[in-house]
Order: sequence, then structure tokens, then C-alpha cells
Amino acid sequence: AQSVTQLDSHVSVSEGTPVLLRCNYSSSYSPSLFWYVQHPNKGLQLLLKYTSAATLVKGINGFEAEFKKSETSFHLTKPSAHMSDAAEYFCVVSEDNAGNMLTFGGGTRLMVKP
Amino acid sequence: DVKVTQSSRYLVKRTGEKVFLECVQDMDHENMFWYRQDPGLGLRLIYFSYDVKMKEKGDIPEGYSVSREKKERFSLILESASTNQTSMYLCASRNPWTGEKLFFGSGTQLSVL
Repeated sequence: AQSVTQLDSHVSVSEGTPVLLRCNYSSSYSPSLFWYVQHPNKGLQLLLKYTSAATLVKGINGFEAEFKKSETSFHLTKPSAHMSDAAEYFCVVSEDNAGNMLTFGGGTRLMVKP
Repeated sequence: DVKVTQSSRYLVKRTGEKVFLECVQDMDHENMFWYRQDPGLGLRLIYFSYDVKMKEKGDIPEGYSVSREKKERFSLILESASTNQTSMYLCASRNPWTGEKLFFGSGTQLSVL
């Protein structure tokens, strides 16, 4: 069975400082991993995905995530936060080859202070 | 751009009512999904459909049913709404042949009183 734990329900950073959103997963197989972002009153949008190629994955808007199998982690980072990054972020794992059975983490709300 | 449209942004219903949540996508995607989103629990899969008239139960199908009579439309049905079904409902679609990326609608906030 697969599961995802987002270690922080809320993260607050100042504009221009680094962002770290933590995600740990458990999976019986080689999983696919994703980060989705949800801005207020909008649908979720794919930020990036890992599917067993390079362990450092670059996504949109300057975000990236590193797959660390030994730590079963897939943390999301950004060097410098922008006000527009304020949103809720979901870490997602998929073991299903067809990609139909995704498991979402509980979400991390990122707040960016001016 | 792919567009996934959920017919209502907000709905208020009474306990015991039959509720229909509609979702339409315009990109000819085979796969469609219904999730509910609750604080701290993330998104949980209720049902998905991999093609017309095909459906599979997700993680929390109890109290829900679905209908997929046409490729572009995927309906979620609450046969007898209960207060614990108050939630944000998100529809998504995907082309399984081009990757795993899901395209989401903006959500329907359902309140059951």
C-alpha cells in the first residue's frame, strides 16, 4: 500500500527567502511522485513529476524536488519565494502503472510574507 | 488549454436530498475522476472512469455513485446526502496515452445541512 505524509500543514516564509516543503512517502514498488499546487479558488495544477529518470526534477515557476530513495522523501524547494507562490501544495504518489490510483498527502499551506 | 468545468461552484443541499455534481471536459480524455478534498486529508479518490460506461471504485466510494454516458461528462451522484458529505468536490480528467498529468476543475463546495 502507498501513503504520503506532508510533514508540515503550514509553512510561512518571507518573500525572497528559500522555500522547503517536506514530503515522505511509502510505497511497495518504484513509485511515480508528483507535486500539485492549488491557488485559492482554482483547480489543482501540476508543478512537477518524478518517474524514475533524473532524481532532481525541475518544475514550473522555479520549483524543484529531489527524489531520495534512501530517505523515502520527495521534498519541494524553491530558492526564492514570491508572493504569488502562496497556495496549498500537495505531494502525490502513484504505484499504479496506469496512473489511476493516486494517493495525495494532506497538503501544506504556504504563506509568503512581504 | 484543457478545460474541466464543474457546473456549480457552491451548492447547499438538505440531508436526504439526491445531489448531482456535473463535470465536463473538452479534450476528449478517456479518464475522468472524482475526488473530495477535506482539510488535512488531502484529496481522496471517490470514483474514476477509464472510458464511457466504465467505472471503478476509488478509496471512499460509500454513499456515492457515478455515471459516464458520454465521454466528455462524468457525474457524481449522492443518492441521499448526509452531513458528512459536506466537502469540496474536485473533478479531473486525463489522457492516459500522453502521461499521468491530471487536469482539474475548480471544484464544487457542497454543504449538506
